[in-house]
Amino acid sequence: DAGVIQSPRHEVTEMGQEVTLRCKPISGHDYLFWYRQTMMRGLELLIYFNNNVPIDDSGMPEDRFSAKMPNASFSTLKIQPSEPRDSAVYFCASSLPLDGSPLHFGNGTRLTVT
Amino acid sequence: QKEVEQNSGPLSVPEGAIASLNCTYSDRGSQSFFWYRQYSGKSPELIMSIYSNGDKEDGRFTAQLNKASQYVSLLIRDSQPSDSATYLCAVPMYSGGGADGLTFGKGTHLIIQP
Repeated sequence: DAGVIQSPRHEVTEMGQEVTLRCKPISGHDYLFWYRQTMMRGLELLIYFNNNVPIDDSGMPEDRFSAKMPNASFSTLKIQPSEPRDSAVYFCASSLPLDGSPLHFGNGTRLTVT
Repeated sequence: QKEVEQNSGPLSVPEGAIASLNCTYSDRGSQSFFWYRQYSGKSPELIMSIYSNGDKEDGRFTAQLNKASQYVSLLIRDSQPSDSATYLCAVPMYSGGGADGLTFGKGTHLIIQP
């Protein structure tokens, strides 16, 4: 099992630019999550999908953030336009149906917006 | 607002001693509980899960759950320098439709002193 795969590992961009983060979940996992981690706020859930359908995006900070899951093996998180306060580590995670199933995390994307 | 509380630390423990990490949660309906370990610059990895009141042992790790007190803990016996990491407590978030991913505490930074 290859695990959850995220790309890129690091992204440095200038304020105002568009950023796209990518994720491939573990095959067979029905749920996909996008989390953001900062020192101040810890791990925050941004959005999650069940069978490619967005279920809850209440954690998405504002309209600059959007996420898609066009098929069971691929998801993107896009920030447009990016701002310095978006600098964080973004994790993608997947799981089998919830209630007792743990999350499996990708290696994360460290985003720096200057 | 579902909350998971942990002492941020750092918690400093001599090598070979028992490290005790604590977590409280607000949602009385929570049924499953997870401990993740996160090394600096890495992604969270699952180390223990517990679903029933009492103790669950796995090697040097013991998870303890008390649902009446809404309290879950992690004990690490014979602590090793390689156990130095941040330990995250995670609890499912429940809405009317079911579980909505995991809510994470901000983590306890554990330092094992050689």
